[in-house]
Amino acid sequence: GNSVTQMEGPVTLSEEAFLTINCTYTATGYPSLFWYVQYPGEGLQLLLKATKADDKGSNKGFEATYRKETTSFHLEKGSVQVSDSAVYFCASTSGGSYIPTFGRGTSLIVHP
Amino acid sequence: KAGVTQTPRYLIKTRGQQVTLSCSPISGHRSVSWYQQTPGQGLQFLFEYFSETQRNKGNFPGRFSGRQFSNSRSEMNVSTLELGDSALYLCASSLEGLSSYEQYFGPGTRLTVT
Repeated sequence: GNSVTQMEGPVTLSEEAFLTINCTYTATGYPSLFWYVQYPGEGLQLLLKATKADDKGSNKGFEATYRKETTSFHLEKGSVQVSDSAVYFCASTSGGSYIPTFGRGTSLIVHP
Repeated sequence: KAGVTQTPRYLIKTRGQQVTLSCSPISGHRSVSWYQQTPGQGLQFLFEYFSETQRNKGNFPGRFSGRQFSNSRSEMNVSTLELGDSALYLCASSLEGLSSYEQYFGPGTRLTVT
């Protein structure tokens, strides 16, 4: 079946540091890939998505590239801010289904 | 535009009871999906309703059911509660459903079963 694996947290960084959160997937067909962010006390928000291989999703300084050869969709940001502190979820659909499968989430803590 | 609202935000129930959770989607959205979030299993899809019809279903027992009303508001019911049903239940709405990939999540209902 479809599964998504992302690095365990928490990831703790200083402000302006470079961020990478790893995500790999197993899925049949041609899945679409997503990153969601959950701020404390709020629901998930779609951060970015990529629907085909080599697509790069980007939003709010975050970006991730759909790498079919490595089945990966790593999230990156060049300079994090304290306001980026949240839990980040990687998700994918499997071929033929639009039902998303989520990773366990990675908590990011950014210190001033 | 108001976001997705869920009521109640917190709920405590006893094992064996049943519970009903409510979700009001963003105005104009016809699809509502429900998810269960637990530390052990993560975020798992329960079901999706679109224009009052269940369109997709996850791998949960029949104790979990839902419905959608003509105004797109949705309710989720869990009967014969078990301790393992303690979780954050999230609903998400979208204009055209899961295939549009644009889901907007509510803040969730935290259910505790004792």
